[in-house]
Amino acid sequence: DADVTQTPRNRITKTGKRIMLECSQTKGHDRMYWYRQDPGLGLQLIYYSFDVKDINKGEISDGYSVSRQAQAKFSLSLESAIPNQTALYFCATSGSGSNQPQHFGDGTRLSIL
Amino acid sequence: SQELEQSPQSLIVQEGKNLTINCTSSKTLYGLYWYKQKYGEGLIFLMMLQKGGEEKSHEKITAKLDEKKQQSSLHITASQPSHAGIYLCGADGSGNTGKLIFGQGTTLQVKP
Repeated sequence: DADVTQTPRNRITKTGKRIMLECSQTKGHDRMYWYRQDPGLGLQLIYYSFDVKDINKGEISDGYSVSRQAQAKFSLSLESAIPNQTALYFCATSGSGSNQPQHFGDGTRLSIL
Repeated sequence: SQELEQSPQSLIVQEGKNLTINCTSSKTLYGLYWYKQKYGEGLIFLMMLQKGGEEKSHEKITAKLDEKKQQSSLHITASQPSHAGIYLCGADGSGNTGKLIFGQGTTLQVKP
């Protein structure tokens, strides 16, 4: 079983719809992250959480919200989806010490029509 | 804010050839991570470099960190089709913030 699991893997939806992407992990990590990837732009950080009570905005948080339901669960919501939010979304986790590598899920491919 | 620039953006090599991918930072590097991504899939952690002059290897992939140049290089020896994918470098912009910034990626194709 994957250590970092994202659901759904693919989603097609319409402009204006509310969408939730879910991430769960079995690595026991405190830190969790949401990124989006667009062709030729690398990954951009949307939100991150260092523990259950800690939520922080990343580079591109506008139009997104998150919820850290438990140490193992971190969900990303698009309240009213728009076409330029079409992208590949990744969840990642890491340990709390310094220089801890992040471990990524397989991604959610989201298309907004 | 810190930026990472990868070069080249894409690369096509013949199987068996060596190749190098570079990652240059606009600011001091506190830690440099290399990842590999197959198309449409998640990122696989390859290795992390922390100190200037550090060099690490994973199978036929070697990465080095040149702190003075604020640059890291990833070298693949005797490339194989299994090496194909997108290679991304990531760095912790301010040191132990846990937030990584990433380069735009280098797409590698290996022709059999």
